[in-house]
Amino acid sequence: DTGVSQNPRHKITKRGQNVTFRCDPISEHNRLYWYRQTLGQGPEFLTYFQNEAQLEKSRLLSDRFSAERPKGSFSTLEIQRTEQGDSAMYLCASSASGGTYEQYFGPGTRLTVT
Amino acid sequence: AQSVAQPEDQVNVAEGNPLTVKCTYSVSGNPYLFWYVQYPNRGLQFLLKYITGDNLVKGSYGFEAEFNKSQTSFHLKKPSALVSDSALYFCAVRDGMIKAAGNKLTFGGGTRVLVKP
Repeated sequence: DTGVSQNPRHKITKRGQNVTFRCDPISEHNRLYWYRQTLGQGPEFLTYFQNEAQLEKSRLLSDRFSAERPKGSFSTLEIQRTEQGDSAMYLCASSASGGTYEQYFGPGTRLTVT
Repeated sequence: AQSVAQPEDQVNVAEGNPLTVKCTYSVSGNPYLFWYVQYPNRGLQFLLKYITGDNLVKGSYGFEAEFNKSQTSFHLKKPSALVSDSALYFCAVRDGMIKAAGNKLTFGGGTRVLVKP
């Protein structure tokens, strides 16, 4: 059984460029989450999908951020017009429904905006 | 609103000694509590959880945690620490009232554990 995978692992971009990250959850998990983690801090919740429906979005998710999960499997997180403050580790997690509750995390995508 | 506090930025312990990492929480409903560990350049690994039932929960790699409702705490413990336990540890909480908080986890700021040989 493979875990959560994320691509790319690292992304360096110039300010103002658009970037897109991909997350592939554990295959039988119908719930998918995105978090952001800056150096020395705990992860902060960004958004949550159940199947293809985006059910919750954090106020951290400005209008430059958009997430999709079109077929209820993989998800993408796009950041438009990147800013230096967007530099962080972007973590994806997935979980099963039905009372297990724990989330399983991918290795993350480290974004550096220069 | 839900929140988590990890009062210690770093915990130093000698190999073979007991290890404790502290966590306190705040939620409006019943707490669902979790511990994760993060090694350098890697994602978070799930260690254990408390949802309901016995206040002492056992998890991976010999770790356990004790839920204390009156003190709103969920401290992580290991009877005998290993050098390989050196990592960053995160406590997280989810409010059991789904309508209140959805399914998101709120994390503490993390505690770095250094186990010396």
